[in-house]
Amino acid sequence: RKEVEQDPGPFNVPEGATVAFNCTYSNSASQSFFWYRQDCRKEPKLLMSVYSSGNEDGRFTAQLNRASQYISLLIRDSKLSDSATYLCVVKRGGQNFVFGPGTRLSVLP
Amino acid sequence: NAGVTQTPKFRVLKTGQSMTLLCAQDMNHEYMYWYRQDPGMGLRLIHYSVGEGTTAKGEVPDGYNVSRLKKQNFLLGLESAAPSQTSVYFCASSLAGGDNEQFFGPGTRLTVL
Repeated sequence: RKEVEQDPGPFNVPEGATVAFNCTYSNSASQSFFWYRQDCRKEPKLLMSVYSSGNEDGRFTAQLNRASQYISLLIRDSKLSDSATYLCVVKRGGQNFVFGPGTRLSVLP
Repeated sequence: NAGVTQTPKFRVLKTGQSMTLLCAQDMNHEYMYWYRQDPGMGLRLIHYSVGEGTTAKGEVPDGYNVSRLKKQNFLLGLESAAPSQTSVYFCASSLAGGDNEQFFGPGTRLTVL
């Protein structure tokens, strides 16, 4: 079993839709959590950190459930420019970051 | 500012050849990382460095060596390339401590025949 698992996708949604991605992690000692976004054949870029209380950045909302070892990302009012692969990232300790395999999103006109 | 740059962008090697990938950052970041990305696997940490002259192993260090002689540069070496090392290699850097954002370079696509 992978240490960080994500919905396999791909998700194909129409513009304006709301879409949610799920991520689970197996190491209960994991300390910090992030969502990165990666466009096709490009480098990953930080989308947002995920805090225990949940956090929101515009159309994006991230939630963390430490008891269930579960992270989510909600995108409201999807735009064509949101099409990308979304990577769930967990920090074990020290500087050891574990990336999930990613969930691909295509927003269709 | 160029951010994080990687050299070369593409490379094809034969089994047993050696090469060095160069990563450079101009953001005065303390921490630097090397990852590889394979289909369906996500990025995996090879080695990282928390400062000039220091390096540490990540999840998949075998077959690779690294050096951080200057703060702005982080080199990844393959002494004897194997087909299993065919991958996309990403370098990243971040400020020291905590959960600072990692800034990634554009990647190096390496094929080992």
